[in-house]
Amino acid sequence: SYVLAQPPSVSVAPGHTARLSCGGNNVGTKTVHWYQQKPGQAPVLVIYNDRHRPSGIPDRISGSNSGNTATLTISRVGTGDEADYYCQVWDSNGDHPVVFGGGTKLTVL
Amino acid sequence: QVELRESGPRLVKRSETLSLTCSVSGDSINNYYWSWIRQPPGKGLEWIGDVSHTGADTYNPSLRSRVAISVDTSKNQFSLKMTSVTAADTAVYYCTRGGGGFAWFDPWGQGTLVTVSS
Repeated sequence: SYVLAQPPSVSVAPGHTARLSCGGNNVGTKTVHWYQQKPGQAPVLVIYNDRHRPSGIPDRISGSNSGNTATLTISRVGTGDEADYYCQVWDSNGDHPVVFGGGTKLTVL
Repeated sequence: QVELRESGPRLVKRSETLSLTCSVSGDSINNYYWSWIRQPPGKGLEWIGDVSHTGADTYNPSLRSRVAISVDTSKNQFSLKMTSVTAADTAVYYCTRGGGGFAWFDPWGQGTLVTVSS
């Protein structure tokens, strides 16, 4: 089955840029969605279709997808960005239609 | 504004059936696919399955033999039933809008922790 690999943790200083990776075989040929989950809360969609932001999501958050890596970029990181981030694709050719990455915990130092 | 809310027993005995309902407000259930996703304590997200307003459903192959998702368009609700539960089914269960083989999941319900007891 298709696998999405995310680093378990990423740390970044306040005001700096965080880049969260989501690796998968030719993931650039798939459409990637990203979710932010703060402790004790439900996930929230922050990027859909690789690079599009839902209404209410600040433009500090952006997405890209090419080759074997999709990336979620958060600029000017603040303490409010501390959360787990999950990438997700649909794998129509595999035995598991919906694939989530294992998640990355973003820590603001 | 679309809102989803899960309801159902929060404690289920081992080997029995877990039943949850998701009530949708602010949108018609006829317009989208709807999914259930779960998250064991301290772990990642696992898609359980989805359903359309016509009742067409798709499931995670790992759970297919024990899961059924149904829709009640008259009540704007959809439901999850999972049979023969074990401790491994203890998780926060989320209902969400999305599915159908391509869509993102948005928005999500607040989630409900279901614990399987022995």
